Amino acid sequence: SAVISQKPSRDICQRGTSLTIQCQVDSQVTMMFWYRQQPGQSLTLIATANQGSEATYESGFVIDKFPISRPNLTFSTLTVSNMSPEDSSIYLCSVVEGNLGQPQHFGDGTRLSIL
Amino acid sequence: AQKITQTQPGMFVQEKEAVTLDCTYDTSDPSYGLFWYKQPSSGEMIFLIYQGSYDQQNATEGRYSLNFQKARKSANLVISASQLGDSAMYFCAMREGGTGNQFYFGTGTSLTVIP
Repeated sequence: SAVISQKPSRDICQRGTSLTIQCQVDSQVTMMFWYRQQPGQSLTLIATANQGSEATYESGFVIDKFPISRPNLTFSTLTVSNMSPEDSSIYLCSVVEGNLGQPQHFGDGTRLSIL
Repeated sequence: AQKITQTQPGMFVQEKEAVTLDCTYDTSDPSYGLFWYKQPSSGEMIFLIYQGSYDQQNATEGRYSLNFQKARKSANLVISASQLGDSAMYFCAMREGGTGNQFYFGTGTSLTVIP
């Protein structure tokens, strides 16, 4: 299975600033996703990162707030912009390889706290 | 309707005992996959076990087994011989064959293993 490196693992940021999270995969994968997990909650899909084109955002998430890049099949970034305390969450990138029976594999997550 | 329902917010089990974590799902797609993930307090998502909708036998992976009852649309995770390291959040997820890409996650069950 793919090995996913996600950085940073955690950060504490001031409100109003932006943070970019990186996700590097050790093999080419078709599907990459970004999730948010608020404290004590389940995972919420932010967007599907599309290689070479704009990400596909889920309802409630917009590109201005969560710009995503995916320049190739092994790398993606998620930026959390103009942060507020409500953005304090774990952010996870994930990949899926192949058919229906393949699980998602996740990076170790970025634990973000906004002061 | 919720795609994945986990009705047990928290569970306790004695060390070395078995425990069942409940999961029911809702889909009209005849082709789907069911997954269980473990999330320790450190935050990473660990894939545990997979069951396909056409699989005739219940999936097993070491101490994990999946009690798949298709007619009842349930996919309960059974952990045998619980260990202290099993204390974590457990998420049930589904991937539908029609949509292919998106995973639907339940709200999770927090398992605490008591020594």
